[in-house]
Amino acid sequence: DIQMTQSPSTLSASVGDRVTITCRASQSISSWLAWYQQRPGKAPKVLIYQASNLESGVPSRFSGSGSGTDFTLTISSLQPDDFATYSCQQYDRYPYTFGQGTKLEIK
Amino acid sequence: QITLKESGPTLVKPTQTLTLTCTFSGFSLSTSGVGVGWVRQPPGKALEWLALIYWDDDQRYNPSLKSGLTITKDTSKNQVVLTMTNMDPVDTATYYCVHFYYGSGSHGFDYWGQGTLVTVSS
Repeated sequence: DIQMTQSPSTLSASVGDRVTITCRASQSISSWLAWYQQRPGKAPKVLIYQASNLESGVPSRFSGSGSGTDFTLTISSLQPDDFATYSCQQYDRYPYTFGQGTKLEIK
Repeated sequence: QITLKESGPTLVKPTQTLTLTCTFSGFSLSTSGVGVGWVRQPPGKALEWLALIYWDDDQRYNPSLKSGLTITKDTSKNQVVLTMTNMDPVDTATYYCVHFYYGSGSHGFDYWGQGTLVTVSS
């Protein structure tokens, strides 16, 4: 199985901050990576697909980059709505696997 | 507008079989490339992909759970059913139904149901 490792596990930040979350795959997955946002008690929502493509309706302050094994999700200027948990997922090879999640907290 | 909704028991006993149904609308599971799958999330833990079924009836399973899982579809009813045998308390989780497109235009799991919490307890 391809292991997806996110860092950090928890991130404390303030409104207006620029934050970056990283995701590393245990082997190359090309660009078959998605990022999801999940609020408490809600289903995940896709933000970025194929590593760097912004899903329709997602604010442009979210961006993704990377290919192969190393990926990043960046939020350029944090808004109150952005405090949630973020997870990466590879869909290059079965079994599709998720990272352990990064909880973004208000500082 | 694509929607998916999970239904099934909220409580099952250990060793019992869990049957969950995903009822969807806004797309057809007979369209080339389209798949419907299941993802679960134990309380406070990470997401885990379980299974996918595609328009051509190709089925994919997570090997860590393969022996206990079966996924089927009823295209005429717009439903996908997941069965899990020999349920254990560690299988307590919220179970989500997801839409997936397999191909160069894939957006990952781009639509999710609201999820259903299943508790395994005697």
